Amino acid sequence: GQNIDQPTEMTATEGAIVQINCTYQTSGFNGLFWYQQHAGEAPTFLSYNVLDGLEEKGRFSSFLSRSKGYSYLLLKELQMKDSASYLCAVIGTYKYIFGTGTRLKVLA
Amino acid sequence: GAGVSQTPSNKVTEKGKYVELRCDPISGHTALYWYRQSLGQGPEFLIYFQGTGAADDSGLPNDRFFAVRPEGSVSTLKIQRTERGDSAVYLCASSWPGGPNTGELFFGEGSRLTVL
Repeated sequence: GQNIDQPTEMTATEGAIVQINCTYQTSGFNGLFWYQQHAGEAPTFLSYNVLDGLEEKGRFSSFLSRSKGYSYLLLKELQMKDSASYLCAVIGTYKYIFGTGTRLKVLA
Repeated sequence: GAGVSQTPSNKVTEKGKYVELRCDPISGHTALYWYRQSLGQGPEFLIYFQGTGAADDSGLPNDRFFAVRPEGSVSTLKIQRTERGDSAVYLCASSWPGGPNTGELFFGEGSRLTVL
């Protein structure tokens, strides 16, 4: 079977750091993506990991451990505009499987 | 256009009616996906096209759902005898030649379907 787990909701304060975890069990693995989705809008690409380790891109970093079936998205220097859902997605041969998403609320 | 275009953006229909949702992917993208997203959930895979053919339609919920991509570009998702449970946002996404392993999915804004 295929299963992707992430917390339903998280709250953090403006300027802080937040880590959103994702664990997965899939029949195939060719990479893990993180997408951001603001309410009522389409998902937009944040990061892609296919090898173990940390990928950094500005305020956003994503980590992958394939042996543990685990990833996290790290958001630094939180801004109000970071309030959104964050979707973890695993790709097998060609099919993306999405988690339910983590709703992040950034408080002033 | 520069991005993935979906029409209509909103569709309200009555139970039992037929609906067509259209997706115009980014020019040159051979891979095209349809997903369905309900409130508070992640996108749920429906069907994947590589070129004109449906490479994987295992996510279509039942035989009331059908999708085509006759010329390898625009795709239409067709839903017959709509039911209230079909209400959701239907997202279309496309990616570069070679499929998603080369990079990200580009999503359209979605078509919000409401079945009364």
